[in-house]
Amino acid sequence: QVQLQESGPGLVTPSETLSLTCTVSGGSISTYYWNWIRQPPGKGLEWIGYIYYSGSTDYNPSLKSRVTISVDTSKNQFSLNLSSVTAADTAVYYCARGSLGYSYVRYWGQGTLVTVSS
Amino acid sequence: DIQMTQSPSSLSASVGDRVTITCRASQGIRNYLAWYQQKPGKVPKLLIYAASTLQSGVPSRFSGSGSGTDFTLTISSLQPEDVATYYCQKYNSVPNTFGGGTKVEIK
Repeated sequence: QVQLQESGPGLVTPSETLSLTCTVSGGSISTYYWNWIRQPPGKGLEWIGYIYYSGSTDYNPSLKSRVTISVDTSKNQFSLNLSSVTAADTAVYYCARGSLGYSYVRYWGQGTLVTVSS
Repeated sequence: DIQMTQSPSSLSASVGDRVTITCRASQGIRNYLAWYQQKPGKVPKLLIYAASTLQSGVPSRFSGSGSGTDFTLTISSLQPEDVATYYCQKYNSVPNTFGGGTKVEIK
């Protein structure tokens, strides 16, 4: 069974960079789309972007100037960097795996709350 | 970007009722639509993909239909465990936008 686990700081200072890592177990990262999705407290889901196992990426245009997603196949991990954060970036961040050949989400991590505050 | 509009934003229905949730895309997306269920305090769960294909293990009272711009998620007989917020998501092209969600409660 595929499992995903987010890790990273739960508190980030405004204007700094939010960095999260997703560790994948129970399967290889060398296939599928690997997504980052977030959910502000009490609000809906927002797709941030994904990386394909080949290394190609696509991002939400609303965040594109601040987002970088990368993959480390040797560690079976992929990562999210979101720069110049503000309080509006406070959210539960989910890493998630797509399905074979498609980017809808088949497996989700448990999510990690990141708060942006000084 | 293609916008995804769900309606209603919330509904209240009785156990056993048939419930229908609508998701409309601002441009055609063929059948590249998924539905998710998120119970309170929990991680979203995939219910349906390709607009109408039921994910393995999902109860058969859930069904999806539609193509192009108009899609529906139907719960044929609402159960107490179906209390959740339901989201649609397009995945034909980026951004893979989610709908705003529909909160389903028991009357």
